[in-house]
Amino acid sequence: AQSVTQLGSHVSVSEGALVLLRCNYSSSVPPYLFWYVQYPNQGLQLLLKYTSAATLVKGINGFEAEFKKSETSFHLTKPSAHMSDAAEYFCAVSDQDVTTDSWGKLQFGAGTQVVVTP
Amino acid sequence: KAGVTQTPRYLIKTRGQQVTLSCSPISGHRSVSWYQQTPGQGLQFLFEYFSETQRNKGNFPGRFSGRQFSNSRSEMNVSTLELGDSALYLCASSLGRENEQFFGPGTRLTVL
Repeated sequence: AQSVTQLGSHVSVSEGALVLLRCNYSSSVPPYLFWYVQYPNQGLQLLLKYTSAATLVKGINGFEAEFKKSETSFHLTKPSAHMSDAAEYFCAVSDQDVTTDSWGKLQFGAGTQVVVTP
Repeated sequence: KAGVTQTPRYLIKTRGQQVTLSCSPISGHRSVSWYQQTPGQGLQFLFEYFSETQRNKGNFPGRFSGRQFSNSRSEMNVSTLELGDSALYLCASSLGRENEQFFGPGTRLTVL
């Protein structure tokens, strides 16, 4: 089974500073990886996804992530934090069930709460 | 295109009762997955349905069940509610395989 580890449950950044959220995965096959964001009392919104097309993936709201197979990492970055980036961020890996050809199971990391200070 | 909708948004039940939650996927999506989100356990996969068939199931007791209808709408049912079932239940739909899952706003279930 696939798994995901997010380093740091809370991250505090200054407005305008770099945002770096760490994600490491374990997968026995080439993974499909995702970053989602969750604002209070809302569902999850997709930021970006990696599906082996390119190692550097650009997403919405200025976020990007780089897939590094050698490090089994998929870290999320944004060059300049904005107050609106305050939210919880989840890294996820698709966990295929080969017996049923199911791709509908995402394994999520524990999440990283981002606080942006003025 | 309309997003994933979930009803109701909020629900309060007492221990021992049962509850049914509903999810309408994005038009054209045949895969629907359900997740439970709690502060202690995080996001946990419940099950996935595709074309009315359950294709995958998470590690939850049999009190948790679901189904999918021919129009891809899905329901999940929890019987004999326990306090620990209090959570945000999220539904997501997808085209399948490497395609991303789109999440609904969730149903907040409180068990008293």
